[in-house]
Amino acid sequence: GESVGLHLPTLSVQEGDNSIINCAYSNSASDYFIWYKQESGKGPQFIIDIRSNMDKRQGQRVTVLLNKTVKHLSLQIAATQPGDSAVYFCAEGNDYKLSFGAGTTVTVRA
Amino acid sequence: GAVVSQHPSRVICKSGTSVKIECRSLDFQATTMFWYRQFPKQSLMLMATSNEGSKATYEQGVEKDKFLINHASLTLSTLTVTSAHPEDSSFYICSAIAGEPGTTDTQYFGPGTRLTVL
Repeated sequence: GESVGLHLPTLSVQEGDNSIINCAYSNSASDYFIWYKQESGKGPQFIIDIRSNMDKRQGQRVTVLLNKTVKHLSLQIAATQPGDSAVYFCAEGNDYKLSFGAGTTVTVRA
Repeated sequence: GAVVSQHPSRVICKSGTSVKIECRSLDFQATTMFWYRQFPKQSLMLMATSNEGSKATYEQGVEKDKFLINHASLTLSTLTVTSAHPEDSSFYICSAIAGEPGTTDTQYFGPGTRLTVL
């Protein structure tokens, strides 16, 4: 079946540097994509989303890029901080359902 | 805004007993709520979709008689794990949306409930 996946399971980044987390999806019919952050023992926290009719969207310190040609989604975090350490999930939406990728664990080095 | 709560946050029960988990939308009316299960170091897996006033829709492989879902109001959905066994031990997370059923809307997640079955 079709699924959402992530290229790398872990990412280590120096504090202050920019982080890039990648995600590949396979369902070309997906029209909605979201990035969530999950800290240990907590529920996912919404970060940013993007519709399929857009290729870029910016939030506070975060940018999501969508490349529908190669079915690729990325999350860029500017000036990574210790509080950004968490597991990041991409999810694709069809109608009202979400399919989650495997997650990337981001560790910020001081 | 868009706060979702869950109760309890942690529960430990004996094998064979039933456990009820509550999911509440605190500051909005949730037309649809979702229940997910997450095993350690794994992703979220959708168990069922719950619409207020109607029967839940279960994902393939999820036993509806074991995981009873009730969505009696626009702010409350409950998941009851019946006759729990150790393999049911997991992190159960709910989410809620405020949009019309069938539309894409941001899902806001609860903090999760850690279930441990002895």
